[in-house]
Amino acid sequence: EDQVTQSPEALRLQEGESSSLNCSYTVSGLRGLFWYRQDPGKGPEFLFTLYSAGEEKEKERLKATLTKKESFLHITAPKPEDSATYLCAVPSGGYQKVTFGIGTKLQVIP
Amino acid sequence: GAVVSQHPSRVICKSGTSVKIECRSLDFQATTMFWYRQFPKQSLMLMATSNEGSKATYEQGVEKDKFLINHASLTLSTLTVTSAHPEDSSFYICSASRDQNEKLFFGSGTQLSVL
Repeated sequence: EDQVTQSPEALRLQEGESSSLNCSYTVSGLRGLFWYRQDPGKGPEFLFTLYSAGEEKEKERLKATLTKKESFLHITAPKPEDSATYLCAVPSGGYQKVTFGIGTKLQVIP
Repeated sequence: GAVVSQHPSRVICKSGTSVKIECRSLDFQATTMFWYRQFPKQSLMLMATSNEGSKATYEQGVEKDKFLINHASLTLSTLTVTSAHPEDSSFYICSASRDQNEKLFFGSGTQLSVL
């Protein structure tokens, strides 16, 4: 059974304080890994897809990286508007069926 | 970009009533849509796969007679929670993608509260 574990569950940062979120996964053949952002009371918003170990993608203050066992979401100089829950997910039993981690709730304090 | 619209965003109902949630793909046709449920401080859990023109596929432990899914067109899937009870209170989210090898886009979710 595919599993996705995210850490930490919650993270509180000062504005400008860079950090990383971790996503470790166990799958029978990685077909990709997704990062989503979820604001309270909203559906997940797509951020990145990573397909193979060594791949990196960037968007504004966010950078996602992938190894054979885990992925990191690096947040550089975060701003309060980056506060959200960040979800990691992997395709499971078909590309469109996705297994999600529990997420990391990020709070950025001004 | 692809947009998935979900309605209503919030519903409060009495125990025993039925509630219908709509999910529409606005700028693409989706032969398959997915329904997820999310309880507080828990991850999104797939409930069922909605297939246009055929029966939905339900995940283990999800009651198909309680959660009725209809996918009558390539742009609309509906989830009906029948005879809702307080334990059905949750955040329901639909998703779809343009094709089977592309990322999922999610609706904005429906917060269901059963009194």
